[in-house]
Amino acid sequence: GESVGLHLPTLSVQEGDNSIINCAYSNSASDYFIWYKQESGKGPQFIIDIRSNMDKRQGQRVTVLLNKTVKHLSLQIAATQPGDSAVYFCAENDGGDDYKLSFGAGTTVTVRA
Amino acid sequence: DAMVIQNPRYQVTQFGKPVTLSCSQTLNHNVMYWYQQKSSQAPKLLFHYYDKDFNNEADTPDNFQSRRPNTSFCFLDIRSPGLGDAAMYLCATSRAGSTAKQYFGPGTRLTVL
Repeated sequence: GESVGLHLPTLSVQEGDNSIINCAYSNSASDYFIWYKQESGKGPQFIIDIRSNMDKRQGQRVTVLLNKTVKHLSLQIAATQPGDSAVYFCAENDGGDDYKLSFGAGTTVTVRA
Repeated sequence: DAMVIQNPRYQVTQFGKPVTLSCSQTLNHNVMYWYQQKSSQAPKLLFHYYDKDFNNEADTPDNFQSRRPNTSFCFLDIRSPGLGDAAMYLCATSRAGSTAKQYFGPGTRLTVL
């Protein structure tokens, strides 16, 4: 079946630099995308979401970009901080009535001091 | 202000001894989900309740059951835990008719001895 996946399992970033986490999806019916941050031993925490009728959405220090042509999603974190160290998951929903999310494999971000 | 609460946070059980994990929510969301997450993996959906309607995933073992006595509470019952059931169990909620955004609890870490 179609699923959401991430390009790289790990990302090491220097504190203060910008981070870019990538995600590819294959379900062309997907119309809603969401990024979660999961710190060790905790539940996933909502970061930002985007609908398929948008290309870009910004939050506090985070930006999500959606390229529907190549089915690619990215999360940009500005001025990465030690507290940003976590596993990041992208997830998508195909608009079905069940509101289920399909999760990608996750990218572990480590921030170097 | 806790929105999705899971108890206990850590649960130790013996091989084959039934265990129940609890989830409650203050969001009044009509959809509640249970996920299993093993180390370094994405959350795996076990089942969800859409109001009182139970929806099981095709690959969820019969060993896993769920109950939702009211809108606020949902339970995960593992009838005969095996060593392979040791994992983090996550509860999430969403409001159908809005978006597929899901709010996660902190999780229950299950250890099977």
